[in-house]
Amino acid sequence: AQKVTQAQTEISVVEKEDVTLDCVYETRDTTYYLFWYKQPPSGELVFLIRRNSFDEQNEISGRYSWNFQKSTSSFNFTITASQVVDSAVYFCALVNDYKLSFGAGTTVTVRA
Amino acid sequence: DTEVTQTPKHLVMGMTNKKSLKCEQHMGHRAMYWYKQKAKKPPELMFVYSYEKLSINESVPSRFSPECPNSSLLNLHLHALQPEDSALYLCASSRTSGNTYNEQFFGPGTRLTVL
Repeated sequence: AQKVTQAQTEISVVEKEDVTLDCVYETRDTTYYLFWYKQPPSGELVFLIRRNSFDEQNEISGRYSWNFQKSTSSFNFTITASQVVDSAVYFCALVNDYKLSFGAGTTVTVRA
Repeated sequence: DTEVTQTPKHLVMGMTNKKSLKCEQHMGHRAMYWYKQKAKKPPELMFVYSYEKLSINESVPSRFSPECPNSSLLNLHLHALQPEDSALYLCASSRTSGNTYNEQFFGPGTRLTVL
């Protein structure tokens, strides 16, 4: 069985603060793929990153960075110097046989 | 063009109506998906089409009927829905690359209200 846990339901920060979103996953597969998506209030899910299980390099894209640790089954996401436009629901997901298993999501509110 | 489009944006229908949701992509993706998302919940997979054939049906009630007329289009036909079917319906598409699972690109969704 596959499962993704995002323990943080809501996070509120002031602009320019850093925010880290936790994601813990469970899978029996040796090869698997993890994703992060952003869903702003408009509703559209925006793809942020894909990571496969055999690539443990961390990644940075602008103000976004991801920390993948197979040893702890975690794939955490950090927004550096947050901005109001970062306010959204963020989903971590695991795929198996074309099925995306989403975590419950973390709502991030960035206050000006 | 990395866009998935969905029409209509909003739909209000009665329980006896028949309506259809439409999804289109021109990225050459051969896998297309329908998801249902209730408020404050993650999306739930409904159907997957791979090379225009239905490959996954997540035990969705028959009042939802998917159709994939060609590789760019995906429809969801609605009939005799219930108020609890009110939700955001999201369409997505992805490349198919053997055993590699590629990212899914989502459309903006259709917000459906059933009265």
